Amino acid sequence: NAGVTQTPKFQVLKTGQSMTLQCAQDMNHEYMSWYRQDPGMGLRLIHYSVGAGITDQGEVPNGYNVSRSTTEDFPLRLLSAAPSQTSVYFCASRRIRGGGTDTQYFGPGTRLTVL
Amino acid sequence: AQSVTQPDIHITVSEGASLELRCNYSYGATPYLFWYVQSPGQGLQLLLKYFSGDTLVQGIKGFEAEFKRSQSSFNLRKPSVHWSDAAEYFCAVGGTGNQFYFGTGTSLTVIP
Repeated sequence: NAGVTQTPKFQVLKTGQSMTLQCAQDMNHEYMSWYRQDPGMGLRLIHYSVGAGITDQGEVPNGYNVSRSTTEDFPLRLLSAAPSQTSVYFCASRRIRGGGTDTQYFGPGTRLTVL
Repeated sequence: AQSVTQPDIHITVSEGASLELRCNYSYGATPYLFWYVQSPGQGLQLLLKYFSGDTLVQGIKGFEAEFKRSQSSFNLRKPSVHWSDAAEYFCAVGGTGNQFYFGTGTSLTVIP
């Protein structure tokens, strides 16, 4: 199993540009999520999904869009990038049958810089 | 409101010394508690988790943590630190819902 994969590893954008961060998992996990990690703030939940066609907002959803058309993929879209979105982005997945006790598996992260 | 507090931003210990990283949580229901480790430039790896039963849980790499409900704490410990333990450590809380809350992290430096 490849686990959770993310592309790209690094990205530089100009203010106002749009882009999609890709996330895929091969563990057949129902739950997938996106976090951003900023210095001194830990990881904060952006959006999550409990299955194909079902998404919901986390703690910091503004400026981001998600969709889940398959179990495997959960892309994160930045509609109009802003410098405040400079961060490291992590995708994670887990089963949901354990009712929240299951381990979340994290991808290696995408380091995004918005100029 | 749900939250996790890690009061120590940075800790320095000598190799071979014992380690305790503090974590306090606020959660409105039965908490599920986790400790993750992040090496530089890497993703997060689960060290251990607690959701019921014995309040002292063992994890990987020789780490353990103790859940104390009365103190709303879930401190991470290791009896003898190795240089390879230098990393950032995150405490997190979740539950039967779908949201998950991380602390701000504690950076560990190990002195040879």
